[in-house]
Amino acid sequence: NAGVTQTPKFRILKIGQSMTLQCAQDMNHNYMYWYRQDPGMGLKLIYYSVGAGITDKGEVPNGYNVSRSTTEDFPLRLELAAPSQTSVYFCASRTGTGDGYTFGSGTRLTVV
Amino acid sequence: QQQVKQSPQSLIVQKGGISIINCAYENTAFDYFPWYQQFPGKGPALLIAIRPDVSEKKEGRFTISFNKSAKQFSLHIMDSQPGDSATYFCAASNIGTSGSRLTFGEGTQLTVNP
Repeated sequence: NAGVTQTPKFRILKIGQSMTLQCAQDMNHNYMYWYRQDPGMGLKLIYYSVGAGITDKGEVPNGYNVSRSTTEDFPLRLELAAPSQTSVYFCASRTGTGDGYTFGSGTRLTVV
Repeated sequence: QQQVKQSPQSLIVQKGGISIINCAYENTAFDYFPWYQQFPGKGPALLIAIRPDVSEKKEGRFTISFNKSAKQFSLHIMDSQPGDSATYFCAASNIGTSGSRLTFGEGTQLTVNP
């Protein structure tokens, strides 16, 4: 049972480039989330999804897009990367019953 | 608006001592309060959680104390060990809202010296 799998683990982007951060879970969880983690700032919610085909903005959605075509996958798209998007990105999922999140191991992104 | 405020930012404790991390929240609709533990290079992992209908929950060496009237909750780590050295995050959510999304505190970096 893999849990939540994020790829890639590391990536360096140039300003203006685009990329997709992949997230997949094999626990049949309906709820999925994308957070970014910056030093001393905790985790900030970017986007979330309550099921396939349903997504909504979190606290810091600007510069990002998501899609949820299947229960398993929840990719995060960065368009026109900016240095402010340098961060560690975490994907998480949960069953929807009020239990805790299961997090992936993260993607460390640097925009130069 | 910072809805969950965590302190201290960093904490150094001797092996065998008690580590205490505090959180305060603003939104009275929050009804789920978990703590997460994060080791370097890893994602956060759920450590322990509490609902507001109880004032304390204990799991092994980890205890959450919850004060609803003060809108505060804290994590106590008894007999702290070097292996407990990690970053700890408190969080809160309203289970009834869309996505039941968690709001996190800023994190506390705990170091337990041998």
